[in-house]
Amino acid sequence: EVQLVESGGGLVKPGGSLRLSCAASGFTFSNYAMNWVRQAPGKGLEWVSSISSSSSYIYYADSVKGRFTISRDNSKNSLSLQMNSLRAEDTAVYYCARDWGSGATTGYFDYWGQGTLVTVSS
Amino acid sequence: DIQMTQSPSSLSASVGDRVTITCRASQSITYYLNWYQQKPGKAPKLLIYTASSLQSGVPSRFSGSESGTDFTLTISSLQPDDFATYYCQQSYSTPLTFGGGTKVEIK
Repeated sequence: EVQLVESGGGLVKPGGSLRLSCAASGFTFSNYAMNWVRQAPGKGLEWVSSISSSSSYIYYADSVKGRFTISRDNSKNSLSLQMNSLRAEDTAVYYCARDWGSGATTGYFDYWGQGTLVTVSS
Repeated sequence: DIQMTQSPSSLSASVGDRVTITCRASQSITYYLNWYQQKPGKAPKLLIYTASSLQSGVPSRFSGSESGTDFTLTISSLQPDDFATYYCQQSYSTPLTFGGGTKVEIK
């Protein structure tokens, strides 16, 4: 069974940093691109970042470029999102999501974690 | 960036109704349009990918179609489990973008 479990969320002050992790199991992690998608309270979905299976290709939304860094460790089946210079508008539930394609990036997401809440507030 | 505009933003329907949700892209995305269902407090669930392909395990009452830059999600006979919010998403180019969502409520 495919499982994605996020961790690392919490309350942080504006300007602070946080590192989110996503532990993957039940599939060959190294074959799939991975993504972070967020959802502000009561709002819609916003794609944050994508990383290809071998980390060769990385993409960010303009809203987080230069502040967030996505990475993965295929030996540990884990995905991370380092978030620096956090702002109030980064407050959201952050979801880890698997790309649909094995061996090829499709840009749509077939498995999602349960999400981890990040709150940026003084 | 490609803008995705969903309509309506909400609708009320009864069990058994045929429901149609529309998503319009701001430019051509060919068939790179996907649909998700989200229930309160839960992660989104992929329903339809590449405009009309049904994700494994999704009931056949869900279907998708395209006409140029307009895309449609149809639920042929609304079931109690279908009351949720639906999002479209384009996977044609980064930044990947979602529509604003359509909340389907019980009439």
